Amino acid sequence: DAGITQSPRHKVTETGTPVTLRCHQTENHRYMYWYRQDPGHGLRLIHYSYGVKDTDKGEVSDGYSVSRSKTEDFLLTLESATSSQTSVYFCAIMAGGTDTQYFGPGTRLTVL
Amino acid sequence: GEDVEQSLFLSVREGDSSVINCTYTDSSSTYLYWYKQEPGAGLQLLTYIFSNMDMKQDQRLTVLLNKKDKHLSLRIADTQTGDSAIYFCAVNTDKLIFGTGTRLQVFP
Repeated sequence: DAGITQSPRHKVTETGTPVTLRCHQTENHRYMYWYRQDPGHGLRLIHYSYGVKDTDKGEVSDGYSVSRSKTEDFLLTLESATSSQTSVYFCAIMAGGTDTQYFGPGTRLTVL
Repeated sequence: GEDVEQSLFLSVREGDSSVINCTYTDSSSTYLYWYKQEPGAGLQLLTYIFSNMDMKQDQRLTVLLNKKDKHLSLRIADTQTGDSAIYFCAVNTDKLIFGTGTRLQVFP
């Protein structure tokens, strides 16, 4: 599992509330990613980080922000959750010389 | 942008071979990957192939890459019920782009 944990694993929240998801890694990898998985879309990149305080947008970044104040933690925040953000969220790290990404177990988020 | 396509479903009998196909549009990819996702779990890397290779074999898995046709396939020999899952191909250009996944169902 490449030493990646995500918390919480499940969350139900209401429209308009803020939500923060946490990704934690234990192996000091530089690159970290947040994806969302929805039926019919595969995985889509939300944001990624290439170092502490260095982040950039992905394909579906609207409505999301991220922060990385420590190498081991990458936080994804929904400032005001909407029902369209109901999804499964995966964190990943990149490791090895083949640019391979390894994934965490996922967080299932339901916005009512 | 890059587009990666897969068929949605594949059903095979236990013991037969499974072939999962993937097509992509961007020929500048360096590595191409296959991931497996079991219900309620994250994505598990199965194998990858470098873009200058045509074939890679890893135990029951064989990856074939046809760069001319931009076609990638994953063959699973002697398919078992434990192989039932969703399989994603992914192509690495400057970002990792995923196909929509193929659900493999193995029946006895």
